[in-house]
Amino acid sequence: GQQLNQSPQSMFIQEGEDVSMNCTSSSIFNTWLWYKQDPGEGPVLLIALYKAGELTSNGRLTAQFGITRKDSFLNISASIPSDVGIYFCAGPINAGGTSYGKLTFGQGTILTVHP
Amino acid sequence: GAGVSQSPRYKVAKRGQDVALRCDPISGHVSLFWYQQALGQGPEFLTYFQNEAQLDKSGLPSDRFFAERPEGSVSTLKIQRTQQEDSAVYLCASSLSDFSGNTIYFGEGSWLTVV
Repeated sequence: GQQLNQSPQSMFIQEGEDVSMNCTSSSIFNTWLWYKQDPGEGPVLLIALYKAGELTSNGRLTAQFGITRKDSFLNISASIPSDVGIYFCAGPINAGGTSYGKLTFGQGTILTVHP
Repeated sequence: GAGVSQSPRYKVAKRGQDVALRCDPISGHVSLFWYQQALGQGPEFLTYFQNEAQLDKSGLPSDRFFAERPEGSVSTLKIQRTQQEDSAVYLCASSLSDFSGNTIYFGEGSWLTVV
């Protein structure tokens, strides 16, 4: 099946530093989604990407849809303590003729921010 | 409330016991999804409803898992004869309709521990 590989698995950074994480796949995706999950909560959508090469920002977050359609990147600038959490990339399983909500997720990047 | 509501939040079941997990989607949302999230992993798709119709149940791990949405609103995920490997967070999600670009909103999850 379609698998998404996220790296790094975890990051420990100082408040104020920039963060970069990525997600790769052996299959082509037509949509890339980035979610954040806080402890004890469900995932919350941060950024959605629908076009190869697209670069989209949401506050201090910027995500890019790779040209090959097989990867995506998420950057967080000037990190703050509330950025702590698990970041997941996701995309529709077997795009085309299937539910857009039937998603496959990466294994997540755990972010820890030290004040 | 305005979000996806799940109950119970926490459930401890003895092995062999049946459990039922409830999901109240956002009012007016046509599409409803169930995901299973094991510890340290990303969510994995279980099943999908459009209104009351269960259009995809390919992710249900065994015939002990059963989901329904009889009136196209509230949904129940039932697990019969629970086993230890069923221990996970069960996430419900809903979206206005199943089109690319429609945000999928997740609930906080039901945490199931089978002892």
